[in-house]
Amino acid sequence: AQSVTQPDIHITVSEGASLELRCNYSYGATPYLFWYVQSPGQGLQLLLKYFSGDTLVQGIKGFEAEFKRSQSSFNLRKPSVHWSDAAEYFCAVGAGQAGTALIFGKGTTLSVSS
Amino acid sequence: GAVVSQHPSRVICKSGTSVKIECRSLDFQATTMFWYRQFPKQSLMLMATSNEGSKATYEQGVEKDKFLINHASLTLSTLTVTSAHPEDSSFYICSASPRAGAGYEQYFGPGTRLTVT
Repeated sequence: AQSVTQPDIHITVSEGASLELRCNYSYGATPYLFWYVQSPGQGLQLLLKYFSGDTLVQGIKGFEAEFKRSQSSFNLRKPSVHWSDAAEYFCAVGAGQAGTALIFGKGTTLSVSS
Repeated sequence: GAVVSQHPSRVICKSGTSVKIECRSLDFQATTMFWYRQFPKQSLMLMATSNEGSKATYEQGVEKDKFLINHASLTLSTLTVTSAHPEDSSFYICSASPRAGAGYEQYFGPGTRLTVT
């Protein structure tokens, strides 16, 4: 079955500390992987995506993610978290074909403490 | 960048009435649009996939007679919640997939908060 697992429901990180949000996927075909961020009451903003090539992808706002096929993972990282990073983060996987929807994980809520 | 808009952003309606939500791709043509529903503190659940000029494909458990989807043009899809009830209160998000181009992309709208009283 196709699925995305985000093991951590809620993470609290001190401002300035590093961050890693975990994402594991189960997908029958070549996965196209995404990370989105959602602020309360807002839509989704794409942070970064992986289609092919270099397995370490850079995104906006200083985020990066590494695709590890052997581990079926696509973890999101940021070296130094800012208070404005507090939000809900969703990992998603797709087939890479027009007309196919994304499968989302349940999300990880990030809180940033001062 | 590609922009998807939704209107209204927030709507309150009385139980039994119908509500229409519009999803527009502002600067690209969208062959396919998707409608998702998000309950508080939960993930996005796909409701249906709509292709321009054809009937929408609904996910299992989604009532097609209650959630009417029309994709009349390459830039507009509408979701009508018919005879809305309080349990339909939710955050509805659409996304649009461009007509052509390498690399799969979906662009999300800002969402519509529906409250049924």
